Amino acid sequence: DARVTQTPRHKVTEMGQEVTMRCQPILGHNTVFWYRQTMMQGLELLAYFRNRAPLDDSGMPKDRFSAEMPDATLATLKIQPSEPRDSAVYFCASGLGGGYQETQYFGPGTRLLVL
Amino acid sequence: GQNIDQPTEMTATEGAIVQINCTYQTSGFNGLFWYQQHAGEAPTFLSYNVLDGLEEKGRFSSFLSRSKGYSYLLLKELQMKDSASYLCAVYSNYQLIWGAGTKLIIKP
Repeated sequence: DARVTQTPRHKVTEMGQEVTMRCQPILGHNTVFWYRQTMMQGLELLAYFRNRAPLDDSGMPKDRFSAEMPDATLATLKIQPSEPRDSAVYFCASGLGGGYQETQYFGPGTRLLVL
Repeated sequence: GQNIDQPTEMTATEGAIVQINCTYQTSGFNGLFWYQQHAGEAPTFLSYNVLDGLEEKGRFSSFLSRSKGYSYLLLKELQMKDSASYLCAVYSNYQLIWGAGTKLIIKP
């Protein structure tokens, strides 16, 4: 069945290291979202793409985070350098954009711990 | 500004009915979503309301009043597996604005 996939599922790294998270949206979906979720902040939108073009990345710390969509089947989120405060669950979601009823389908998430 | 309010936590008994409320103040409105999120898992879609009224889907129903900026999710015949967080989200200006979620605890 169609689902969003994310890799890695878990990542433990040391402060200062680069972290790359990958997402494969559901085939045919043209919108991809990156979220961060923590107990304190809940779900925060970091960035989203429609038809591979970045539409909004205002929620993303620009100095260390970057998001790209090199092709329709792959979205990446990078953190360089990583910091302990980046520890969170990072979700990717995809949807069929263009209409208001854009249901978002979430991937299983990447659980990141920065020591 | 954009604001969505939900209770932080609710407790209910297996077999009972529970209503989770959500109030919102957003600059635009093009629909309201409810998502369920079990601990350690991803959010999953439950319902979408864009017109006033009640939408029923099995044991779950969702209600919307646009004039009052208010929605609720009604869960009937509660089961232990319904223990989860329930997230309210409003589609506003081409973005989903998320509430912090309501953690629902079901007791036997």
